[in-house]
Amino acid sequence: GQNIDQPTEMTATEGAIVQINCTYQTSGFNGLFWYQQHAGEAPTFLSYNVLDGLEEKGRFSSFLSRSKGYSYLLLKELQMKDSASYLCARFTDKLIFGTGTRLQVFP
Amino acid sequence: DSGVTQTPKHLITATGQRVTLRCSPRSGDLSVYWYQQSLDQGLQFLIHYYNGEERAKGNILERFSAQQFPDLHSELNLSSLELGDSALYFCASSVPGGIPNEQFFGPGTRLTVL
Repeated sequence: GQNIDQPTEMTATEGAIVQINCTYQTSGFNGLFWYQQHAGEAPTFLSYNVLDGLEEKGRFSSFLSRSKGYSYLLLKELQMKDSASYLCARFTDKLIFGTGTRLQVFP
Repeated sequence: DSGVTQTPKHLITATGQRVTLRCSPRSGDLSVYWYQQSLDQGLQFLIHYYNGEERAKGNILERFSAQQFPDLHSELNLSSLELGDSALYFCASSVPGGIPNEQFFGPGTRLTVL
């Protein structure tokens, strides 16, 4: 996915915490986005990081390290409805998406 | 519901044909982006229009073209269709002045080329 790497698949249990990692090419970097996409549906915006550090939004948090070209999405108190693909995207003058991480949450 | 509309929802056509996909952005959004999502390629950026002008191009084939009209709706034209063009085509719009490039996606058009 154009110099963005994410694990292809992950599994977790309802109520648990999962961390989805993303590494990206740092040249021309202006920001890092996370989107959620349920199968056959449109991606929906989750979070945006432009500076180093952690952004928290309810059960979801996203972390960025610009110098390392690294981000992660942290999902807490997992619910069955969190089963979806999670897309990491870096912003240059356009959004470049990774191929996504398919997360399956089991009861 | 993101407020972005796309028509048609599904499209089935034959190789060699030409189709037009339509997108209406959210009210007030000036930017429209087109993406192609196939099973093995993930979400691929095609083209970006802002207020009627082309702003950025991605991996868009020469057989594909797009335009944005004065009322800000956009059309993506796909011609000489091949089996490999079968994919979900999304458009997205973004609000000026908000989070840079936070994009709101439409429901997509599923194109099947037989």
